[in-house]
Amino acid sequence: GAGVSQSPSNKVTEKGKDVELRCDPISGHTALYWYRQSLGQGLEFLIYFQGNSAPDKSGLPSDRFSAERTGGSVSTLTIQRTQQEDSAVYLCASSVRSWPQYFGPGTRLLVL
Amino acid sequence: AQSVTQLDSHVSVSEGTPVLLRCNYSSSYSPSLFWYVQHPNKGLQLLLKYTSAATLVKGINGFEAEFKKSETSFHLTKPSAHMSDAAEYFCVVSTLPSEGQNFVFGPGTRLSVLP
Repeated sequence: GAGVSQSPSNKVTEKGKDVELRCDPISGHTALYWYRQSLGQGLEFLIYFQGNSAPDKSGLPSDRFSAERTGGSVSTLTIQRTQQEDSAVYLCASSVRSWPQYFGPGTRLLVL
Repeated sequence: AQSVTQLDSHVSVSEGTPVLLRCNYSSSYSPSLFWYVQHPNKGLQLLLKYTSAATLVKGINGFEAEFKKSETSFHLTKPSAHMSDAAEYFCVVSTLPSEGQNFVFGPGTRLSVLP
């Protein structure tokens, strides 16, 4: 497709389980962002990938969160031992610039 | 560190009337400023950006914003609201380099457009 895609669109999990969220950026985009958006809140920065540089992980809220980007394309955000406060919409964005240009539709995560 | 304040969590206007969404920022250095729009069940879309060129910036869908350094503001305006403008609007401040954690989103303003 022409845009940023994310999967799954919705995910319901039980507290303590691990989840993986996927982001397919626009082809050729070197920059990739992950954000978290809680109900009624702005976007919380999680992690930023730029080309082959070391990712900026400064926004990851705990060591339960990790992300990787394979081959400079697809990215996976993993949350281990999920907690109820992890419930949110997780947004991915890609760009040919350094700032986020195109956002995906998000993955809505609900931890029961 | 930089921060951004959106003074109104919700703005309601009638169709055909002007729109004003307010944004104030705090930054130690010359900032770059952005506005994004998020329509229901859709991804965020860049409306416009200011990066130290002309202080009056025109964006898509008839929106524009003016950078006022003396007031540390970057308010978003549109002369005449359309029903399709109903959405959530986010102001963003960034210092150079405009990337990573330097890119800070405000809490958002929800715009309602009444017929």
